[in-house]
Formats: sequence, C-alpha cells, structure tokens
Amino acid sequence: DVKVTQSSRYLVKRTGEKVFLECVQDMDHENMFWYRQDPGLGLRLIYFSYDVKMKEKGDIPEGYSVSREKKERFSLILESASTNQTSMYLCATRWGGYNYGYTFGSGTRLTVV
Amino acid sequence: AQSVTQLGSHVSVSEGALVLLRCNYSSSVPPYLFWYVQYPNQGLQLLLKYTSAATLVKGINGFEAEFKKSETSFHLTKPSAHMSDAAEYFCAVSDQAGTALIFGKGTTLSVSS
Repeated sequence: DVKVTQSSRYLVKRTGEKVFLECVQDMDHENMFWYRQDPGLGLRLIYFSYDVKMKEKGDIPEGYSVSREKKERFSLILESASTNQTSMYLCATRWGGYNYGYTFGSGTRLTVV
Repeated sequence: AQSVTQLGSHVSVSEGALVLLRCNYSSSVPPYLFWYVQYPNQGLQLLLKYTSAATLVKGINGFEAEFKKSETSFHLTKPSAHMSDAAEYFCAVSDQAGTALIFGKGTTLSVSS
C-alpha cells in the first residue's frame, strides 16, 4: 500500500513566521498534491506537482509556495504566516495507471497565532 | 471545469436506518468518482471509486454508490446505519487524465441510537 507521511500532526506558529510543511511518499509516484481543509468548505487544492521541480497552482495558491527537489518529497511553504492560514493541511499522492487512485496523509493542523 | 455538489451539509439517521448521501458532479469528460470518509482527527480513507467499469460500485463497510450519467449523480448508500458510521463524507471527481481531485464541501453524518 502507498504510504504518505506528513511530518507534523500539530503545529503552532506566530504571525509572520516562515512555515514549512513536509510530505513524503514511499512509492516514487510522480503526482503529489497539497490541499487545505476548512469546515464547510471541503478540501481545496493549493498546489500540485507532476514531477521533480515541476509545480502547478491550484485553486487557492495565494500566500503559499511549494518545493519538490526529490520525487518522494513535496513541501508546502508559507512565506509569512497569517492567522487566516490557520487550517488543516492534507498532502496526497496519485498512484496507478488506468485504475488510478489517491492516498492522503493524516494531515497537519496548523494554528497561526 | 469540473465541480462537485454534495446536497446537505448534515444528515442525521437512526441506527439501522438507510443512509443516503447525495453527490452530483459536473465534468466535460467521463469522470472518475470517489467517496472518502474522514473520522474525527483522522485523514481521508477511501470508501469506493468509480472508474467506468461497473455503474454500481461496492466499497468498504457496507457502502455502495451508483453512477448515473443521465442524472450526473453518484449517491452513496448503506442499507443499515451503524453508530460507527458517524463521520464526514466527501465526494470527489477527477478526469481521466488524473490530475487533481476536486472535492465537494462534505456531508457530516450523525447516527443516533
């Protein structure tokens, strides 16, 4: 089974800090995704990557950037954290060919104070 | 552009009653459709997925969903609710190119005894 690991389960950061959220997958898959989950809004796509050093903006990229230097690792960066970025962040990877699927990490709950 | 609409942000049923969670999608190409479940403080778990093979899809924990192209629907059902089914449920769509999953806003299922 594909495993997606997010390094932190809970994080508390101060406004203005630079924040790194890390995500690692264990099966050399090309496609990786970062979502943000908020009550009543579901999951919204922030960024995705389809290969090393390749990235595409999702629906809500403002205030975020990403880094993918190695295939297994996809990092989400908050350049200057703000309180409205307090949320649950979920990383995912896409696996398979025709019969593809997605596996999600357990999430990082970020609080910006 | 693809989109997903989940009708009803909250659904309440009695234990043993039928569970019906509604999902309608919009897609310009034949979609892949997914239902995920999220228990409190946990990540997303795949319940089932439709990949154009059979229109009636059976998933884990007794859930199933039927793809109806004419109605652009993919409703999730379970004949008899159990207390352990209380969770948040997300419907999601992707196209066959398999880029990113697009999610609905979620439905919280409550089960009373």
